Amino acid sequence: GAGVSQSPSNKVTEKGKDVELRCDPISGHTALYWYRQRLGQGLEFLIYFQGNSAPDKSGLPSDRFSAERTGESVSTLTIQRTQQEDSAVYLCASSLVGGSGNTIYFGEGSWLTVV
Amino acid sequence: GENVGLHLPTLSVQEGDNSIINCAYSNSASDYFIWYKQESGKGPQFIIDIRSNMDKRQGQRVTVLLNKTVKHLSLQIAATQPGDSAVYFCAEMGYGAQKLVFGQGTRLTINP
Repeated sequence: GAGVSQSPSNKVTEKGKDVELRCDPISGHTALYWYRQRLGQGLEFLIYFQGNSAPDKSGLPSDRFSAERTGESVSTLTIQRTQQEDSAVYLCASSLVGGSGNTIYFGEGSWLTVV
Repeated sequence: GENVGLHLPTLSVQEGDNSIINCAYSNSASDYFIWYKQESGKGPQFIIDIRSNMDKRQGQRVTVLLNKTVKHLSLQIAATQPGDSAVYFCAEMGYGAQKLVFGQGTRLTINP
């Protein structure tokens, strides 16, 4: 596609349920990133993929969070046993390759509300 | 540790005036800097970037200045328009690093 595509755009879930958020990066981009943005805050890094491997998952806040990428394309961020503190916008981004100097483009985000 | 922050959380300017948004960073190994614009309910939109081997870069109505001596980055927007109203984030990536580190953002409001 023309840009980074994320789905769903909005998700309301009950506390304790699992959610899956999907990201389709820009075609041909090998690097993919997930960030979290709480209301009125900056972006927190979660995980970075180069191809299907995740060399940096240091930002995942707990073992309830996991992510995978297949076919060097689509990525899924899974949050298990959601809690209210997980409410945020989850942003996916991609770049042609990883590393300094490579422009990183963001999607519109998936807004998650845990009630 | 690494930290990217902003001097001013809010900035209001008159339409047509120039605006300057500032950013400080602490990582001396920062090699690459990007400014993003984020409108309400949308994802961050790339504006302009600069490598550490440069001190100035210009785009359409925007200029980014980098002062490595004092670890300071600024975004200048010329002849501001109502559509420039948004939150602006600076972000940095260190040499050899793989992730962007973001500041907290500055809200720019353009007054008619």
